[in-house]
Amino acid sequence: GAVVSQHPSWVICKSGTSVKIECRSLDFQATTMFWYRQFPKQSLMLMATSNEGSKATYEQGVEKDKFLINHASLTLSTLTVTSAHPEDSSFYICSGGGGQHYNEQFFGPGTRLTVL
Amino acid sequence: DAKTTQPTSMDCAEGRAANLPCNHSTISGNEYVYWYRQIHSQGPQYIIHGLKNNETNEMASLIITEDRKSSTLILPHATLRDTAVYYCIGRTPDSGGSNYKLTFGKGTLLTVNP
Repeated sequence: GAVVSQHPSWVICKSGTSVKIECRSLDFQATTMFWYRQFPKQSLMLMATSNEGSKATYEQGVEKDKFLINHASLTLSTLTVTSAHPEDSSFYICSGGGGQHYNEQFFGPGTRLTVL
Repeated sequence: DAKTTQPTSMDCAEGRAANLPCNHSTISGNEYVYWYRQIHSQGPQYIIHGLKNNETNEMASLIITEDRKSSTLILPHATLRDTAVYYCIGRTPDSGGSNYKLTFGKGTLLTVNP
């Protein structure tokens, strides 16, 4: 399968700071990327869908001004958690699909965010 | 979205076949059944998907009933590394049409025992 990477794999930050997470498709062009959040012992919850060159579509209840998503190229999407607070601590996972992988989504390894 | 129902947990002996059931009685005619798994603290891994016919790949087999109301994922020779949460998902088209949302339920925690 295709490979998706995320950076960083974990991050600890102070409350009120902003954190950027990168998601890269390494060997395919991801026309669509998805961002998920997963709290401990819970399932993945879709936050937003982004198509390359377009504004992201956010799921209900997800603040678009707090979770800024940029998908400027076919291999890179970024999620910025602005003014992070302890309740934003979670496991953030991206996935990519589209193009030759129209029927599949390939997931990154996830980023563990801890806000103190 | 097709609501899927899976057992919360299952156990399997190493080397034996693991059969993971999924009910999706409300699945629509053009909705695929996808299976992913998530090993602890990692991103989900694609396993297999199907529409009507049974499917097999190097990881698993997918058996879909004729009425499409349920399916079974089969890991033919389970190993300890197969211990994970397995998600059965009905694929839902998103508004853009270029790719599809995946709505994750709670999945089945499969524990493979030595």
